[in-house]
Amino acid sequence: SQQGEEDPQALSIQEGENATMNCSYKTSINNLQWYRQNSGRGLVHLILIRSNEREKHSGRLRVTLDTSKKSSSLLITASRAADTASYFCATDPYSGNTPLVFGKGTRLSVIA
Amino acid sequence: SAVISQKPSRDICQRGTSLTIQCQVDSQVTMMFWYRQQPGQSLTLIATANQGSEATYESGFVIDKFPISRPNLTFSTLTVSNMSPEDSSIYLCSVDRGGETQYFGPGTRLLVL
Repeated sequence: SQQGEEDPQALSIQEGENATMNCSYKTSINNLQWYRQNSGRGLVHLILIRSNEREKHSGRLRVTLDTSKKSSSLLITASRAADTASYFCATDPYSGNTPLVFGKGTRLSVIA
Repeated sequence: SAVISQKPSRDICQRGTSLTIQCQVDSQVTMMFWYRQQPGQSLTLIATANQGSEATYESGFVIDKFPISRPNLTFSTLTVSNMSPEDSSIYLCSVDRGGETQYFGPGTRLLVL
């Protein structure tokens, strides 16, 4: 069953602006992962943040995790048209070799 | 990372027929997972495939409808049986190479008429 809820469900921004997507989950986790999906294709892994971490960066991506609020956010800075995609958070309640539980996703449109 | 391929990449099928989707990984993995993504929706786990044992299915998914094979540590198949238009979805396999990150195949886009 789906555990995560992303908001907003859809986001439209101008190129160069920052995009922030939020994810909430219900149960305790070992880690939380963010994925990108372009046009109904496969998922590309973006970043993993463990339950004992609060913030993580990768290029233009910044992820935060607040386990007390059971929430995470993904910030994409200086967005580009190529960032247009659906973004999903997924939680892992254990430590590997277990299936992920996905949120509903945010559809991001970056307008050039 | 892991290199995962799926065949076919897409297919259009008639209702009542069956389609077998293949998932090939470039290295040995213990667990493989099959997910379904219905149009405009998120991913839902169908089953976990462990080599050498029966697949474990999630609530709402049964072996008769979605039989899975896992003959070795680099390969798995998912069959969608007796298809109906409601089975139109993207089917994705994923693997966990013993770490925490899961890697996904490119997906199989299925349309049932």
